[in-house]
Amino acid sequence: GAVVSQHPSRVICKSGTSVKIECRSLDFQATTMFWYRQFPKQSLMLMATSNEGSKATYEQGVEKDKFLINHASLTLSTLTVTSAHPEDSSFYICSATLGRSNEKLFFGSGTQLSVL
Amino acid sequence: AQKITQTQPGMFVQEKEAVTLDCTYDTSDPSYGLFWYKQPSSGEMIFLIYQGSYDQQNATEGRYSLNFQKARKSANLVISASQLGDSAMYFCAMRPRFGNEKLTFGTGTRLTIIP
Repeated sequence: GAVVSQHPSRVICKSGTSVKIECRSLDFQATTMFWYRQFPKQSLMLMATSNEGSKATYEQGVEKDKFLINHASLTLSTLTVTSAHPEDSSFYICSATLGRSNEKLFFGSGTQLSVL
Repeated sequence: AQKITQTQPGMFVQEKEAVTLDCTYDTSDPSYGLFWYKQPSSGEMIFLIYQGSYDQQNATEGRYSLNFQKARKSANLVISASQLGDSAMYFCAMRPRFGNEKLTFGTGTRLTIIP
């Protein structure tokens, strides 16, 4: 079946540094990918919708300059947390849709970010 | 706007028993899809089952079945013959049937299977 690969699975960084998270669709082309954030014991909250070849669409309250999204190809979207602070520590997870089928939505394995 | 409600924050079930996880929803979209995902402690989101709003039959996938009651706007997940490996967080979600729209998630239910 279709697979979405997310890397790294875990990252620890110092406050003030930037962290890049990659989301790849391994065996299909994904024109749209979604980035979610999840705090402990809470549900997934959509941060932004990443569209190949165009600017991402951010949800209300998400700082676009803080969370940079690049969707340069049909198989890769990246989320960069710029100048990370401890409050950015969270679980980040991406998802991608296979073709135009509504039910074919796959998730990456997630990235646990810890900012010291 | 879409809304998903999961009223059971946690459930404890004896191994081998069946369990029903509740999910109700609200939407103004005439056509939509309903999903259930399992999230173990590792964090990955595992797709379990999908139900289209115009599907004639309730969806089934192995031990998972979806009790879809459109008039009541409910999409409960039924797990038969529960196993210890079923212990995890379970999320109900929905999105419009057409268009590449985001998933709206419920708050989740933590299921613990007791040996």
